[in-house]
Amino acid sequence: GAGVSQTPSNKVTEKGKYVELRCDPISGHTALYWYRQSLGQGPEFLIYFQGTGAADDSGLPNDRFFAVRPEGSVSTLKIQRTERGDSAVYLCASSQGTTDNSPLHFGNGTRLTVT
Amino acid sequence: KNEVEQSPQNLTAQEGEFITINCSYSVGISALHWLQQHPGGGIVSLFMLSSGKKKHGRLIATINIQEKHSSLHITASHPRDSAVYICAVRSRGGADGLTFGKGTHLIIQP
Repeated sequence: GAGVSQTPSNKVTEKGKYVELRCDPISGHTALYWYRQSLGQGPEFLIYFQGTGAADDSGLPNDRFFAVRPEGSVSTLKIQRTERGDSAVYLCASSQGTTDNSPLHFGNGTRLTVT
Repeated sequence: KNEVEQSPQNLTAQEGEFITINCSYSVGISALHWLQQHPGGGIVSLFMLSSGKKKHGRLIATINIQEKHSSLHITASHPRDSAVYICAVRSRGGADGLTFGKGTHLIIQP
């Protein structure tokens, strides 16, 4: 497909488990963003990749969260020792340039529920 | 940290009405994005602007940099316009990640 793809669409896990969320951006988009959206709130920035490197990870809430983009395309957001407060929709977006000059293309998100 | 405020939080209107959604922010920006989010669906980018005004179909977005304020207008509103509209900004000189408002939940009744 031509859009940003996120898998799985839904993930239910038990407290303390490890989860991986995948994002497949639009082909050729060098910028990739992870956001988290809680119910009734706007999205919250987590991390931004330009190519393979994390250009800004200041939004990651703590060291249980980690993300990689080893080949500059697909990205994986990893959450260790999940907590109930991690439950949210995790959104991925990609763009050709930066948010100064390029629109963002969002995936449909992964709804994570930690029980 | 940029504070992004949207108003109103909720808006219900009749089909055909002219709709205005407002966004204000606290710190100078390099770009402002208007986004649309349907229930259970992904987010679609409507506009990206740094000055002036942009129009796409029945949607118009304006920004006043001096007043740190932007508006999104919908003319001849239709029930399919029902969605959450989100304003997001990139702070000038800041990191590339956007700061989002909480969104305006719009319902257009037939």
